[in-house]
Amino acid sequence: GIQVEQSPPDLILQEGANSTLRCNFSDSVNNLQWFHQNPWGQLINLFYIPSGTKQNGRLSATTVATERYSLLYISSSQTTDSGVYFCAVDSNSGYALNFGKGTSLLVTP
Amino acid sequence: EPEVTQTPSHQVTQMGQEVILRCVPISNHLYFYWYRQILGQKVEFLVSFYNNEISEKSEIFDDQFSVERPDGSNFTLKIRSTKLEDSAMYFCASSVGIGREQYFGPGTRLTVT
Repeated sequence: GIQVEQSPPDLILQEGANSTLRCNFSDSVNNLQWFHQNPWGQLINLFYIPSGTKQNGRLSATTVATERYSLLYISSSQTTDSGVYFCAVDSNSGYALNFGKGTSLLVTP
Repeated sequence: EPEVTQTPSHQVTQMGQEVILRCVPISNHLYFYWYRQILGQKVEFLVSFYNNEISEKSEIFDDQFSVERPDGSNFTLKIRSTKLEDSAMYFCASSVGIGREQYFGPGTRLTVT
């Protein structure tokens, strides 16, 4: 099946710093999504971005489908950005989302 | 904004008991999914459902599991005889089509004792 690798696995930032999270995937995809898992365990949809660039406030994402990677940018980080960020891509069948292991982000005051 | 809802938010059950987890997908969505996340691990796909039948399932989704859309709004996951290793967060999701954005519910935390 399709492989999804995220880096770095862990990241500690001071409030106000910027960061870049990376997601590499092993095959072409129709669906690529970024999620933020908050401390209560909820998965919050950040971006649906199988290709191109999108921005939402302090967050932006870019997917280069031909090179099989996606980047999530967090600017001016806040303590509420803490949590785990997951990248997920669809399987060859198109139904299942395959999740990476996530990047655990801690933003300190 | 429409959202996927799940009940209950937390369920505790004894090993060997049957549990039913409930989900209400977004109303105009046609594809429904269940995922699970064991504490500290990544989210894993269980099953997808379209047009009243299973369209794909993972190796995790064995004979102990079943899904059903009993009416026009609910989508359920049944675990017939729970095991300790079934303890996890279970997420329901829905989408308008294949390869389209999947919207996740808040999850049901299942604890098997």
